[in-house]
Amino acid sequence: GAVVSQHPSWVICKSGTSVKIECRSLDFQATTMFWYRQFPKQSLMLMATSNEGSKATYEQGVEKDKFLINHASLTLSTLTVTSAHPEDSSFYICSASHRLAGLSYEQYFGPGTRLTVT
Amino acid sequence: GENVEQHPSTLSVQEGDSAVIKCTYSDSASNYFPWYKQELGKRPQLIIDIRSNVGEKKDQRIAVTLNKTAKHFSLHITETQPEDSAVYFCAANLYSSASKIIFGSGTRLSIRP
Repeated sequence: GAVVSQHPSWVICKSGTSVKIECRSLDFQATTMFWYRQFPKQSLMLMATSNEGSKATYEQGVEKDKFLINHASLTLSTLTVTSAHPEDSSFYICSASHRLAGLSYEQYFGPGTRLTVT
Repeated sequence: GENVEQHPSTLSVQEGDSAVIKCTYSDSASNYFPWYKQELGKRPQLIIDIRSNVGEKKDQRIAVTLNKTAKHFSLHITETQPEDSAVYFCAANLYSSASKIIFGSGTRLSIRP
């Protein structure tokens, strides 16, 4: 099956610094990728839709200037958490849409990145 | 936009018994309903899915039913085993597009030995 990787798998940073998380589709091209955030014991909340070659679409309540998304190639999307604060500590998961035969799509999830801001 | 509601939030069943998790969705345009199992600290794993052109789908001990008129869909796990303990999420989206998946709030399933 299709494989999506994320890097790093975990990161600890100091408050006020920025952190970049990478999401890669390893064996397929993904024109669309999605970024989710999951707090402990909660569901996956969609943050934004990342489209290759265009600006990301952010969900309501997600600050686009704080969570910078870049989808510069068909296999890579990056999420940069700028000026991180402790409340940004969370599990960040990306997914990539893989187009199947017959005009259908399936989404594949990355393994997630655990961010801890101290 | 789409809104998916899921219940119960927690479910404890005796090993060997059945477990049922229910979801509702709001957008009648949604036509694809995947179910995911997530273990602690790991990515969600697709366990079964159903498209709107069928009412039921089964895969060994797992089955999903869909009532498109009522916008309800359910996950049924029979003969539960300890390894079934996890958090389960229902979701909805448009199968024919690279559209976003909207997740339910999750159900923490515990299997009692």
